[in-house]
Amino acid sequence: NAGVTQTPKFRILKIGQSMTLQCTQDMNHNYMYWYRQDPGMGLKLIYYSVGAGITDKGEVPNGYNVSRSTTEDFPLRLELAAPSQTSVYFCASSSSSGGPAWIQYFGAGTRLSVL
Amino acid sequence: AQKITQTQPGMFVQEKEAVTLDCTYDTSDPSYGLFWYKQPSSGEMIFLIYQGSYDQQNATEGRYSLNFQKARKSANLVISASQLGDSAMYFCAMREARVDRGSTLGRLYFGRGTQLTVWP
Repeated sequence: NAGVTQTPKFRILKIGQSMTLQCTQDMNHNYMYWYRQDPGMGLKLIYYSVGAGITDKGEVPNGYNVSRSTTEDFPLRLELAAPSQTSVYFCASSSSSGGPAWIQYFGAGTRLSVL
Repeated sequence: AQKITQTQPGMFVQEKEAVTLDCTYDTSDPSYGLFWYKQPSSGEMIFLIYQGSYDQQNATEGRYSLNFQKARKSANLVISASQLGDSAMYFCAMREARVDRGSTLGRLYFGRGTQLTVWP
């Protein structure tokens, strides 16, 4: 079972470069999320989506963009990378039903360094 | 105000002993869910246990149980019979129920985590 798949696992960017972090899920979940985790901290929400064509900002959206053209895919775009975007990025998905369906399942993460 | 507070940056426990990891939360929403995730040194986030705000009984999953005290707004994780493989960072998280665009928003608020070390 693939679950949530993120690529790449590691990436080094130069300041000012752009890149797209890929995320795909095969659980037919409506909800998808992007988080970042800085050293010694919990996760902070960057963007989320409640379904194809619908996205919205989370707590820390500046410097990022997302799109959701299909249920399965939720790519995160970094434009003009800055050192402050050095972090570990997690994609997650969950069902739209209530209760235990709220459980979010995470990808393995992308470790990004901006130098 | 912090939605989730984990006051123990690090905890140590001997193998086969039980350990409690503390978590308090802050919400005015009557409907919410509480979660614990484990993050081993390899970095992935592994779901451990879930407790709904209307659940009457404490959640249990194998060696994990969630000590849910609603009036105190606490959701402590209890790991029984600790194993060396339990050494990891543990995160408490909360999801509030909120209707947005006809769907329920499902963002999680995370604490800063507790680093658990199990020694032989």
